[in-house]
Amino acid sequence: EAGVVQSPRYKIIEKKQPVAFWCNPISGHNTLYWYRQNLGQGPELLIRYENEEAVDDSQLPKDRFSAERLKGVDSTLKIQPAELGDSAVYLCASSWTGPPGANVLTFGAGSRLTVL
Amino acid sequence: DQQVKQNSPSLSVQEGRISILNCDYTNSMFDYFLWYKKYPAEGPTFLISISSIKDKNEDGRFTVFLNKSAKHLSLHIVPSQPGDSAVYFCAANGGSQGNLIFGKGTKLSVKP
Repeated sequence: EAGVVQSPRYKIIEKKQPVAFWCNPISGHNTLYWYRQNLGQGPELLIRYENEEAVDDSQLPKDRFSAERLKGVDSTLKIQPAELGDSAVYLCASSWTGPPGANVLTFGAGSRLTVL
Repeated sequence: DQQVKQNSPSLSVQEGRISILNCDYTNSMFDYFLWYKKYPAEGPTFLISISSIKDKNEDGRFTVFLNKSAKHLSLHIVPSQPGDSAVYFCAANGGSQGNLIFGKGTKLSVKP
């Protein structure tokens, strides 16, 4: 089966410019996550969707970040305007919300953002 | 305030020997723990998990041990192979949100 697909893989922009990342989760996975991974750190959650509803966006910097998941499948994450500190890898992941158990997330390859 | 801590940024072992990666956590509400492996320019991939009601889970060369009283878990890789060289992340899951909380990772280098 196809994994989690993300694009673009790499993006270089100047500060104050907008940028958008796209994610296509695994078919049938109703839960979608956006994580940000800074250099030398572990992934940190930005937002989690259950179908098309954002159920946890407490860590999303809402002044400049926005996300949407129309029709409960693909998702986009937008930054406008970008700041130098936004340079990071943006990881999309999906999972199937089933019976209680280890919540195993499948990650995409990530989108590496460099803000100059 | 880190809830999941991996205090060793790096570890180097010889091929064929045991690799032991450690992880500590602070939140007693966590009910599942997972290990992910990450190669450069790729996303993290799931390796093995353990429920908080168990103290050991084994999958081939990989074994995870959980010590709930010490809030500590470890990943053992035996025997280590050069292809195991990667960054290993410990993650925890629990509570109503169901989000994974990750440690900072440990970079494992297995030398031939």
